[in-house]
Formats: sequence, C-alpha cells, structure tokens
Amino acid sequence: DAKTTQPPSMDCAEGRAANLPCNHSTISGNEYVYWYRQIHSQGPQYIIHGLKNNETNEMASLIITEDRKSSTLILPHATLRDTAVYYCIVRVAPLQGGSEKLVFGKGTKLTVNP
Amino acid sequence: DSGVTQTPKHLITATGQRVTLRCSPRSGDLSVYWYQQSLDQGLQFLIQYYNGEERAKGNILERFSAQQFPDLHSELNLSSLELGDSALYFCASSGGSNTEAFFGQGTRLTVV
Repeated sequence: DAKTTQPPSMDCAEGRAANLPCNHSTISGNEYVYWYRQIHSQGPQYIIHGLKNNETNEMASLIITEDRKSSTLILPHATLRDTAVYYCIVRVAPLQGGSEKLVFGKGTKLTVNP
Repeated sequence: DSGVTQTPKHLITATGQRVTLRCSPRSGDLSVYWYQQSLDQGLQFLIQYYNGEERAKGNILERFSAQQFPDLHSELNLSSLELGDSALYFCASSGGSNTEAFFGQGTRLTVV
C-alpha cells in the first residue's frame, strides 16, 4: 500500500504556481520523498526527490517540513502541459541490487486552466 | 526521452494467446521494473529484476512471467490471455549513478 496521502484533484491557473501537497506521516528516517507525474497514459516521468532538505531543479521545487511528515511540490509557473497526475512516493533510496520498488498511490490530478 | 525503450507500442491479440513484451533499460542501469496499468486504474507493480536475478515480486499472476537477459534487456511474457489483461504495461529502469527510476512509454495491450 502507498504510504502517502494526496488530494485527488487540484486546479491551477496557467502562469501561476502550482503547490501540490503530500502527507507521509509514517515516513522512516532513511526514506526519501520522490515525485513523479504521468501525462495521459504516457510513462511516468521523474520530477524530483529529497530526503530532508529542500530541493530545486529545472522542473520543480520540493519543500519538506522539518518533521518530514509532509512535503509540497511546487511548479513555479504552471503551463497547460503540466496537466497530469502527480504522484508522491516515499521510498528508501535503492542500493545496488536493492529491491525498493516504487509504490504508486492514486496521486493528484492537476488541471492547469488557461 | 527517458532512454528506456519498450516494444511493441501497441499489441492486439485474442483471448487464450501468449505475448511477449520487451524492455531495453537505460545504458548502465541494472534494475528493471514492470508495472501494469489497467483503464482508469493505478500503476501496479509486477516484478523487478536486478542484473539478471529476480529481486522483488508484486501482484503478478501465475500466467505472467519475466526474465532479464545478460545484455540486461527484459521480457514480460503473458500467457492464456484474458480480456482483463488489457492494459498499459510499463517498464522502468534504475541504477548506475542515479537512484531514480525512469520509465518507458509503455506497451498498450488489447485482448479481444
């Protein structure tokens, strides 16, 4: 079972920041927070991951609370192409030969409106 | 482009038949994961291989099997197909210097 809770759907206006929340209250000390998205039946796309520090890359920012029980994915300037299902996953970073599969929940369906 | 290649992209077959789905992982990735996504359903983990050996098993039916070859490509074999096996099948790979998994574009299987 997924270890995260996300709202089923969210809307965002084009050009505005999209803030997608995720609760992971049972996260363990060695578990990372990963975010993926799936654009209409395409393969899931990796976005970002983090352990406890905030992270930023060319796609998004990840803000993790100090107690690590929740996080927020921020798309700074959402576009219509960002409409997708966004998945928050907690997972131990796999060591070589590890078996830490990604367990997907239902995710948040983000709709970016013009 | 994730670097993970899946073939074929589409497959239509009849009930009772057997099919093989193929996955070529990213260069340097030793782990391959298979997922099933039925219509309007979530991504269900099926099985994982690492460097040719099975590492983890999910809700994979006994009619399904997989293997990873010495060149690290993987095949998912689906037999005695039923209408309910119609789904998208995704392959992902990870390893090397990255811990994140990258997904292929999937194979859409339709059983008629």
